[in-house]
Amino acid sequence: DTEVTQTPKHLVMGMTNKKSLKCEQHMGHRAMYWYKQKAKKPPELMFVYSYEKLSINESVPSRFSPECPNSSLLNLHLHALQPEDSALYLCASSQAMTAETQYFGPGTRLLVL
Amino acid sequence: QKEVEQDPGPLSVPEGAIVSLNCTYSNSAFQYFMWYRQYSRKGPELLMYTYSSGNKEDGRFTAQVDKSSKYISLFIRDSQPSDSATYLCAMPRDDKIIFGKGTRLHILP
Repeated sequence: DTEVTQTPKHLVMGMTNKKSLKCEQHMGHRAMYWYKQKAKKPPELMFVYSYEKLSINESVPSRFSPECPNSSLLNLHLHALQPEDSALYLCASSQAMTAETQYFGPGTRLLVL
Repeated sequence: QKEVEQDPGPLSVPEGAIVSLNCTYSNSAFQYFMWYRQYSRKGPELLMYTYSSGNKEDGRFTAQVDKSSKYISLFIRDSQPSDSATYLCAMPRDDKIIFGKGTRLHILP
């Protein structure tokens, strides 16, 4: 099973709202990732967690706050977002941070009004 | 020069044709090469990966790597309308994945 699940599938939020995106994998992978993808662009890395610790933060604004409660779960907390943050947010996982192959979830399509 | 170059297309071919998708890369340290397929409004799906130069075949798909030219290709035989998607080449570097821009492919029935 190479499945990464993400909820919700779609999210519409105002600029003053607080919401969270959730990601789950049961493949025993120890590295999990958040990506942002705009239309017709490749995914852009935001955060990497390795063994539940934040290992990479690609200078993402503080209105995005990641959390890794355990080895299977990854959250992305959103607060005071801007319309330009509207995008597809993808979660991925891999066996380890140094592993080459990442498996992606279906994404959450976020619209900020 | 970008590390990974990929023509964004779109590429339109008739059903049943052989499709050739390509990427070039500049970093000779890349040793592992992946192709992801992404349908509209979905997450990328790993299609194929290969370490070595030469060809790797999986059903209708063949991945080819030429390290001397820093050139990788994905061939799709007997293309189907269901193959219409964006195809991204990808290479790991420093615990990250470097993606090409993706080529949008349309298979015309």
